[in-house]
Amino acid sequence: DIQMIQSPPSLSASVGDRVTITCRASLSLSYFLHWYQCRPGKAPKLLIYGGFNLQSGVPSRFSGSGSGSEFTLTISSLQPEDSATYYCQQSHSTPYTFGQGTKLEI
Amino acid sequence: EVQLVQSGAEVKKSGESLNISCEGFGYSFSRFWIAWVRQMPGKGLEWMGVIYPGDSETRYSPYFQGQVTISVDKSVNTAYLQWSTLKASDTAIYYCARQDGAERTMDVWGKGTTVTVSS
Repeated sequence: DIQMIQSPPSLSASVGDRVTITCRASLSLSYFLHWYQCRPGKAPKLLIYGGFNLQSGVPSRFSGSGSGSEFTLTISSLQPEDSATYYCQQSHSTPYTFGQGTKLEI
Repeated sequence: EVQLVQSGAEVKKSGESLNISCEGFGYSFSRFWIAWVRQMPGKGLEWMGVIYPGDSETRYSPYFQGQVTISVDKSVNTAYLQWSTLKASDTAIYYCARQDGAERTMDVWGKGTTVTVSS
């Protein structure tokens, strides 16, 4: 299985801040890396696909970068509704493993 | 509107069987894979497996292989996740999600089915 390591496991920030979450894979994924947002009581939501493509309807303050085995999710100008847990996930090869998550508190 | 509608919460006892469902609306159900994802209490997301409704091809995570069965009835646009013998450790929220495109992203998610298994 491909191992996905996210950092940091948690972080606290303020409204208006810029934060970055990193995801490292145990082998090269090309661009088969996606980011999801999970809020309590809600279904997970696709934010970024293919490493850097913004999913339709997702605010432009979310962005993704990277390729190969290292990727980042950046949220510029944090909003209160961004308080959530963020997961990276690879779809290079099954099982399509997730990172352990990064809990963002605002 | 494209959506996946999951069956309601279940409360069961260890040793019982269970079948939960995920019905697709607003798109061509047979043309997109359906994945199942587990979230245990206080834990992260775990990819369990995926099925292609067009031909019922199924792929499991090795961790879940033999523990659950993923199936589909494309005539009613519904995928299923089944247990023959539940354990307390199966207590979790189970999500289904549509897997879309060449990148195999999960772009549409159901709201989740909460399964509680008491010992």
